[in-house]
Amino acid sequence: DTGVSQDPRHKITKRGQNVTFRCDPISEHNRLYWYRQTLGQGPEFLTYFQNEAQLEKSRLLSDRFSAERPKGSFSTLEIQRTEQGDSAMYLCASSLRQGGYNEQFFGPGTRLTVL
Amino acid sequence: AQSVTQLDSQVPVFEEAPVELRCNYSSSVSVYLFWYVQYPNQGLQLLLKYLSGSTLVESINGFEAEFNKSQTSFHLRKPSVHISDTAEYFCAVSARRDSGYALNFGKGTSLLVTP
Repeated sequence: DTGVSQDPRHKITKRGQNVTFRCDPISEHNRLYWYRQTLGQGPEFLTYFQNEAQLEKSRLLSDRFSAERPKGSFSTLEIQRTEQGDSAMYLCASSLRQGGYNEQFFGPGTRLTVL
Repeated sequence: AQSVTQLDSQVPVFEEAPVELRCNYSSSVSVYLFWYVQYPNQGLQLLLKYLSGSTLVESINGFEAEFNKSQTSFHLRKPSVHISDTAEYFCAVSARRDSGYALNFGKGTSLLVTP
């Protein structure tokens, strides 16, 4: 399967703990996006990378959140001192920048439950 | 900024009946428009998109959507639904000039097709 993969698929943690999620984009894609989807809502944009550069961050991305894409391939999203409000599905998407708009392909998501 | 309103949170319909899922958007700039589908326990998949040209766009599985600039709408229609169309449908918008083309999603419409 050459689609976007995310790991883990599910994560249960206690409030106050740190968690890290990983996203592996489609191999030739140079853009990578993170979204968050809470119950009953549509996905909300968090941040995106072009290669290794983080070019945009949403106001939803508080100081407790940090994302990296060190070599322009896979990306990690870390949440420090988790809160119950962080419980959500975290989605990763990738696309290939070639001029105008390019389709974003989504991974299956990581479901985070904070107890 | 752009925003999307999906007017119906749930749409129950009988198999082989027509369906329309409504989507209205708000934006101060020109936009691209999308419909994504999320089948149970699966990731988001692009169903169809409007980038430019003909305002009527079609998917391979019989859905169509029409971009109406004056009404700022992008409603999704299918003349005859199948049980397998049961899923969550998300309308999304991105600004044409947005360097990253981050997607702004509506809250989703749950389509439930019954025999």
